[in-house]
Amino acid sequence: GAGVSQTPSNKVTEKGKYVELRCDPISGHTALYWYRQSLGQGPEFLIYFQGTGAADDSGLPNDRFFAVRPEGSVSTLKIQRTERGDSAVYLCASSQVAGRETQYFGPGTRLLVL
Amino acid sequence: SQQGEEDPQALSIQEGENATMNCSYKTSINNLQWYRQNSGRGLVHLILIRSNEREKHSGRLRVTLDTSKKSSSLLITASRAADTASYFCATDKGGGNKLTFGTGTQLKVEL
Repeated sequence: GAGVSQTPSNKVTEKGKYVELRCDPISGHTALYWYRQSLGQGPEFLIYFQGTGAADDSGLPNDRFFAVRPEGSVSTLKIQRTERGDSAVYLCASSQVAGRETQYFGPGTRLLVL
Repeated sequence: SQQGEEDPQALSIQEGENATMNCSYKTSINNLQWYRQNSGRGLVHLILIRSNEREKHSGRLRVTLDTSKKSSSLLITASRAADTASYFCATDKGGGNKLTFGTGTQLKVEL
């Protein structure tokens, strides 16, 4: 079946602009995770959803970052007033049930802030 | 912040040789997982080992876990050029399955 998909695959924006990154999880997966990966590093956790609610947003770096999952399926990560330091690959993952299952990752969105 | 570190940071071997990567972590875990990443994009899940397990096999992969030393190793036997990738360990401390990744090992398998 279809895996996790993310759009866009690449995004170039200017400092100070607003961006939205979209994640379509595997159908039926209730848990959805966002990670950020800087060059040469491992992914770092940002936020995870169980259904529609954010169960843990402890990884969001500051209040410029926000994520939603209004219908418990597609999620959007929103970044306001982008900074050059936000440049990274943003990865989304989903699992059937949070806490017990393997996470399946999407291909990521490469964000470049000029 | 990164939970652990992989060792070595980079590894270059010939096709057919075995590759061993190590992972150390800092806190108690529920399970430890290994992922492969090609070209800095999506991660592919390889294997999961639970805290009460000591060794696990999957095809050419063998993973060990030593919770007393807070370390794990991934062995790839009879490596192939297609195994060239970055390999990450990730720990799950429980309570939601939030994964904490290490810094990765870049493996290059040459023909």
